[in-house]
Amino acid sequence: ILNVEQSPQSLHVQEGDSTNFTCSFPSSNFYALHWYRWETAKSPEALFVMTLNGDEKKKGRISATLNTKEGYSYLYIKGSQPEDSATYLCASPSPGTASKLTFGTGTRLQVTL
Amino acid sequence: ETGVTQSPTHLIKTRGQQVTLRCSSQSGHNTVSWYQQALGQGPQFIFQYYREEENGRGNFPPRFSGLQFPNYSSELNVNALELDDSALYLCASSLFKGLAGDIEQFFGPGTRLTVL
Repeated sequence: ILNVEQSPQSLHVQEGDSTNFTCSFPSSNFYALHWYRWETAKSPEALFVMTLNGDEKKKGRISATLNTKEGYSYLYIKGSQPEDSATYLCASPSPGTASKLTFGTGTRLQVTL
Repeated sequence: ETGVTQSPTHLIKTRGQQVTLRCSSQSGHNTVSWYQQALGQGPQFIFQYYREEENGRGNFPPRFSGLQFPNYSSELNVNALELDDSALYLCASSLFKGLAGDIEQFFGPGTRLTVL
């Protein structure tokens, strides 16, 4: 059974702060790591899909890194804005099952003025 | 490009009843996956449909069943509803290209099911 964990469970930062959170996954039989942003009352939105050890991806003020050997990924948000408030989910496909994603429980980010 | 849509948005049922949830895939996608998100948990994989056949199933009992239609839209059916079935049900569509775990999935906004 694939176990994906995220920390912290929730985070409260002020506008302009930079922040980061962690996704841990089994390093054996790694396939891919997905990050999603999920705003309240909206659909989860794909941020990144990462596959290579050492990979780093960036989308505006958000970036992510991947370490498949030790089984973790970091998501960074630079200069947080209130519109970044959302739950950030990571997920990894089970080996040999392609699209069957196993999700972590998410990190809920609240950015205040 | 039309996104993934789900209906209804909210639904209230009583224990023992049956429910059907619907999902329309994003244009050009051939695969639909269904997930259940209970309170305080991440989404849990229920099953996936590819070319109208089930293509993988999570740890859910047989009373959870599905269909995929030729236009790639999909239904999730749950029989004999239990209180624990109360959750947000998400569908996600993608373009299946073999055993590639790096394929992006596009989610709908979900259907909130409450079982009383």
